[in-house]
Amino acid sequence: ETGVTQTPRHLVMGMTNKKSLKCEQHLGHNAMYWYKQSAKKPLELMFVYNFKEQTENNSVPSRFSPECPNSSHLFLHLHTLQPEDSALYLCASSHPEISGHNEQFFGPGTRLTVL
Amino acid sequence: SQELEQSPQSLIVQEGKNLTINCTSSKTLYGLYWYKQKYGEGLIFLMMLQKGGEEKSHEKITAKLDEKKQQSSLHITASQPSHAGIYLCGADGSGNTPLVFGKGTRLSVIA
Repeated sequence: ETGVTQTPRHLVMGMTNKKSLKCEQHLGHNAMYWYKQSAKKPLELMFVYNFKEQTENNSVPSRFSPECPNSSHLFLHLHTLQPEDSALYLCASSHPEISGHNEQFFGPGTRLTVL
Repeated sequence: SQELEQSPQSLIVQEGKNLTINCTSSKTLYGLYWYKQKYGEGLIFLMMLQKGGEEKSHEKITAKLDEKKQQSSLHITASQPSHAGIYLCGADGSGNTPLVFGKGTRLSVIA
């Protein structure tokens, strides 16, 4: 248990569906991240939020829409996805202002399959 | 942008053998993180190295940072089946930028 939870753990959706991934951290961290992990590729950073404000959007297509209502929760809203979006989506959190470095704590991930 | 190259990409070792995984950065390392991932799951933090020459150990896993070579190595002594998984290195860029990760090294330990 890392203190970061993600739901659902598995998701199968059609290209016309709308779904949301949820991430929650119980660590008191102020930074949260979405990563995409595809086979044989490095982890790809998608979005970064610091104190609920989006500070980085790594050229992610608009069919992925993040939401951070507070510093403990992070959502990734999905709509009209493509089969190539199938991947493991990982959420992470950190608090560099306290720890002095950027150690990130990861959730277990959501395995997404787009049909 | 910073890139991390890990070698080897995959490794199969017999239980009880030692092994080393390397992580080389294209730019100056300000902090190097090692994580382990079981297939299809999240990353578990192993250790973090900040200073050149720094070496840390956790149980049978030792990591070292060579600042001049912009490289870190992860060494496992007397490997066990529980060591199997994907090992990823991550690096801090300058400032407070998010971590950049390597592609990972897949380790299998056979009895």
